[in-house]
Amino acid sequence: ETGVTQTPRHLVMGMTNKKSLKCEQHLGHNAMYWYKQSAKKPLELMFVYNFKEQTENNSVPSRFSPECPNSSHLFLHLHTLQPEDSALYLCASSQAGANYGYTFGSGTRLTVV
Amino acid sequence: DAKTTQPTSMDCAEGRAANLPCNHSTISGNEYVYWYRQIHSQGPQYIIHGLKNNETNEMASLIITEDRKSSTLILPHATLRDTAVYYCIVREDYGQNFVFGPGTRLSVLP
Repeated sequence: ETGVTQTPRHLVMGMTNKKSLKCEQHLGHNAMYWYKQSAKKPLELMFVYNFKEQTENNSVPSRFSPECPNSSHLFLHLHTLQPEDSALYLCASSQAGANYGYTFGSGTRLTVV
Repeated sequence: DAKTTQPTSMDCAEGRAANLPCNHSTISGNEYVYWYRQIHSQGPQYIIHGLKNNETNEMASLIITEDRKSSTLILPHATLRDTAVYYCIVREDYGQNFVFGPGTRLSVLP
């Protein structure tokens, strides 16, 4: 356990489903991130939240909708996904303004059928 | 734009030192060098970072050349559990988000 917990670990969903990925950190961090890792590709930054405010959205399609209700929780709401959205979705947290690395969760392996 | 260049893959014998190189010839004065690794199907794990001095912690050592244009991550006694993809990233202090490249796939062989 790294201090960042992601649920579920695996998710299979149909293209018309709506599902949510959850991330929780108990490290006292105030910044949280969503990354996507497709097969044989580098990690891609999707969203950044600092102090619960979204500060970055890297041209992510609207079928991905993040939510950060407090500095310890981060959600990624999914709807009408495509098969090419199948990937490992990783959450990370850090202390904003500090020169430390990120702490990543173990990820959610998403398969869209 | 990629700020670092790493070999695609490397092999290392178990028990020997693994030396992973990284080129960052365009690094600026306020950019740090970070190393992460990612074991298969897990999230990346922070290893170490440095600015210009060599650094050591319980996991690894980081050697940065005097001109800061390259660095080497050293795992002093590699084990099979060190098999992973290793990422070298340069980032400004306090600012930018981490941008991951393809990294180096290290295979530790028995």
